[in-house]
Amino acid sequence: EAGVTQFPSHSVIEKGQTVTLRCDPISGHDNLYWYRRVMGKEIKFLLHFVKESKQDESGMPNNRFLAERTGGTYSTLKVQPAELEDSGVYFCASSHRDRVWVNTEAFFGQGTRLTVV
Amino acid sequence: GIQVEQSPPDLILQEGANSTLRCNFSDSVNNLQWFHQNPWGQLINLFYIPSGTKQNGRLSATTVATERYSLLYISSSQTTDSGVYFCAVEQTSGSRLTFGEGTQLTVNP
Repeated sequence: EAGVTQFPSHSVIEKGQTVTLRCDPISGHDNLYWYRRVMGKEIKFLLHFVKESKQDESGMPNNRFLAERTGGTYSTLKVQPAELEDSGVYFCASSHRDRVWVNTEAFFGQGTRLTVV
Repeated sequence: GIQVEQSPPDLILQEGANSTLRCNFSDSVNNLQWFHQNPWGQLINLFYIPSGTKQNGRLSATTVATERYSLLYISSSQTTDSGVYFCAVEQTSGSRLTFGEGTQLTVNP
């Protein structure tokens, strides 16, 4: 079974440019999450999809960040325009919802290291 | 929101030593996971352990949910165990994982 896959693994862009990160969750997982680790600090939640719907986007830092999940499958996270403080590692995770709507173990992708210069 | 505290923040060991990492959390949880972030930045699932004890090779974990803590044991440490160990919890009323700040482990040969 394929795990959570993220593209690209590393991206270096200039301040003001646009970057789009992609996440392919484990097949059949309704839950898809985005997290990030900035400046070596703790890993923080960005948002949560259940299928194609945004369940919780309270962690999105500002309106320069836009996440989508087309048809409840893969997801993209666009940063436009990128700022220096957006540098960090962006993780995607997916999990299954069981029959009583309890979230189960979350599996993480390998992360995308974003460097804004 | 829920608070997650990990200790110690940094740990340096000689190869072959044993260690215990701790994770305290401030509220009831229905999910607790331990992760290892390796030097390449990848987050590796170690344990899904909302309660009880599990073992996987040289690693084992125990969560005492009623007392709101979890322990990760590493025995006979190896240099490849180096990296950051994260504890993450999901509140019973929540839908996302909240991470601790991690324990930076360095195992010297």
